[in-house]
Amino acid sequence: GAVVSQHPSRVICKSGTSVKIECRSLDFQATTMFWYRQFPKQSLMLMATSNEGSKATYEQGVEKDKFLINHASLTLSTLTVTSAHPEDSSFYICSARDLKGVSYEQYFGPGTRLTVT
Amino acid sequence: GQNIDQPTEMTATEGAIVQINCTYQTSGFNGLFWYQQHAGEAPTFLSYNVLDGLEEKGRFSSFLSRSKGYSYLLLKELQMKDSASYLCAVRDNNQGGKLIFGQGTELSVKP
Repeated sequence: GAVVSQHPSRVICKSGTSVKIECRSLDFQATTMFWYRQFPKQSLMLMATSNEGSKATYEQGVEKDKFLINHASLTLSTLTVTSAHPEDSSFYICSARDLKGVSYEQYFGPGTRLTVT
Repeated sequence: GQNIDQPTEMTATEGAIVQINCTYQTSGFNGLFWYQQHAGEAPTFLSYNVLDGLEEKGRFSSFLSRSKGYSYLLLKELQMKDSASYLCAVRDNNQGGKLIFGQGTELSVKP
């Protein structure tokens, strides 16, 4: 099946610094990638939808200047958490749709655990 | 808007059968998904329903009634490794086809 990777899997950073998370579709091309955030004991909350070569669409309440998304190619999307604060500590998961595959399935990456101290 | 409800927690016994319900309200329904998520890991796809009826896949089955806005995930012959969170998600065409997730049901399987 289709594989989505994320890097890093875990990151600890100091408050005020920026962190970049990469999401790659390894064996398929993804026109659309999604970024989710999940707090402990809660479900996935969609942060933004990114389409290759265009600006991301952010969900209501998500600060676009704080969570920078770049979808530069059909296999790579990045999420940069700028000026991170402890409340940004969360599990960030990306997901991708296969350009040529069955339209209904989204493939999830393994997630990135961000801890801001 | 949309609203997806599922029980927060369930407990079942190894070898038994458990049914996890999900109700939803959405304006542009285009499919319902069930995912399994173990703690600290990403969700893995279990099933997809877009038409009414039952879809069976091994020990797991999923049912959909679009008129009632209702789905359930049925797990048979429960194993300890089935202890996980089960997420119901609805695709909404009126919101660009994105998946909207319920809060998840934490299933504990006891010996």
